[in-house]
Amino acid sequence: GAGVSQSPRYKVAKRGQDVALRCDPISGHVSLFWYQQALGQGPEFLTYFQNEAQLDKSGLPSDRFFAERPEGSVSTLKIQRTQQEDSAVYLCASSLASSGALTDTQYFGPGTRLTVL
Amino acid sequence: GNSVTQMEGPVTLSEEAFLTINCTYTATGYPSLFWYVQYPGEGLQLLLKATKADDKGSNKGFEATYRKETTSFHLEKGSVQVSDSAVYFCALIVNDMRFGAGTRLTVKP
Repeated sequence: GAGVSQSPRYKVAKRGQDVALRCDPISGHVSLFWYQQALGQGPEFLTYFQNEAQLDKSGLPSDRFFAERPEGSVSTLKIQRTQQEDSAVYLCASSLASSGALTDTQYFGPGTRLTVL
Repeated sequence: GNSVTQMEGPVTLSEEAFLTINCTYTATGYPSLFWYVQYPGEGLQLLLKATKADDKGSNKGFEATYRKETTSFHLEKGSVQVSDSAVYFCALIVNDMRFGAGTRLTVKP
């Protein structure tokens, strides 16, 4: 079956613009994660959903970042009033984790590379 | 806080050489430990994992043993191939997943 898909793959935004990044998880996966990966660094956790419930948003860097998963499937990460420091690759991952176990294998999408000019 | 420190790269080896990429961690509680790999142009893939002390994860000839006494999870492979060239990330989960900065491995024929 299909893996995790993300769109767009590349996004260029002018400083101050709002952007929306989409993640389609593997069908049937309960848990969904967003990460931010700066150039030359490892991914950093942003937020985590179990079905439609956002259980942890402690990694979101500011109130300009907002994530939703209204029907427990597709998720959108929105960044308002983008700044240059938001430039990074945004990764989405999903896992079966039906029991809520965070140790379930996470399957990653290819990421969206955001460049803020 | 919970964190992972891994060996800085880049690492360049000849084909059939022995590989070690060091990874140590700091964690409250009992983390699960992972190695992820990112091949050129592809997304992150789970390579192996270990969920409790003394467990050994293995896959594709790679191995790592969860050492609680040294808080380490070093990645090893006895004979690397050109196709192993990639970036390797060590990671842990307690309440959320924390990654190391990644180690770029290049294997030359």
